[in-house]
Amino acid sequence: NAGVMQNPRHLVRRRGQEARLRCSPMKGHSHVYWYRQLPEEGLKFMVYLQKENIIDESGMPKERFSAEFPKEGPSILRIQQVVRGDSAAYFCASSPPSGAQETQYFGPGTRLLVL
Amino acid sequence: DQQVKQNSPSLSVQEGRISILNCDYTNSMFDYFLWYKKYPAEGPTFLISISSIKDKNEDGRFTVFLNKSAKHLSLHIVPSQPGDSAVYFCAASLFDNTNAGKSTFGDGTTLTVKP
Repeated sequence: NAGVMQNPRHLVRRRGQEARLRCSPMKGHSHVYWYRQLPEEGLKFMVYLQKENIIDESGMPKERFSAEFPKEGPSILRIQQVVRGDSAAYFCASSPPSGAQETQYFGPGTRLLVL
Repeated sequence: DQQVKQNSPSLSVQEGRISILNCDYTNSMFDYFLWYKKYPAEGPTFLISISSIKDKNEDGRFTVFLNKSAKHLSLHIVPSQPGDSAVYFCAASLFDNTNAGKSTFGDGTTLTVKP
């Protein structure tokens, strides 16, 4: 059973470009979470999605950031018009649909560098 | 307002001795707590968890203690091994359908186990 997969592992963008980060959850998992880790800080919750639904996006910046988890395919975190402050490690986690107190399994992360 | 705090950014321990990592939280509604371990350039991996109805959970060399009245939990590693050297994150979550799975993380403690 493959773990959570994220791609790309590293992404370099110039200011103003768009960044697309992909996350494929573990097989059988229908809950996806995105976290951001800024340098020297812990993981900060961004958004929680189930298939085709955004459940909680309280951690998402109001502008330029969006996330989706379509019926088919990976979850996508999209950052439009990136700025240098978006440089961070973005982690995706997934959990099975059986309830709230489920362990989240993390992917290896995408390290975004904005030049 | 940081709801989960790990006040020690780093900890150094001799191999074979006990490592104690601490975590404090402010939200008394949290009812599920987890510890994750993270190596450089990898995603966090689940280590051990505890529900608020318990005060101790043990798994091999790892034991988590929860003191609800003090809003404090700790992770004990006995005996510590060099391979335990990593960043340890404490996380807390609410058992609530609307917040299902959303975890709040501390900033992490870097553990170094010296041979």
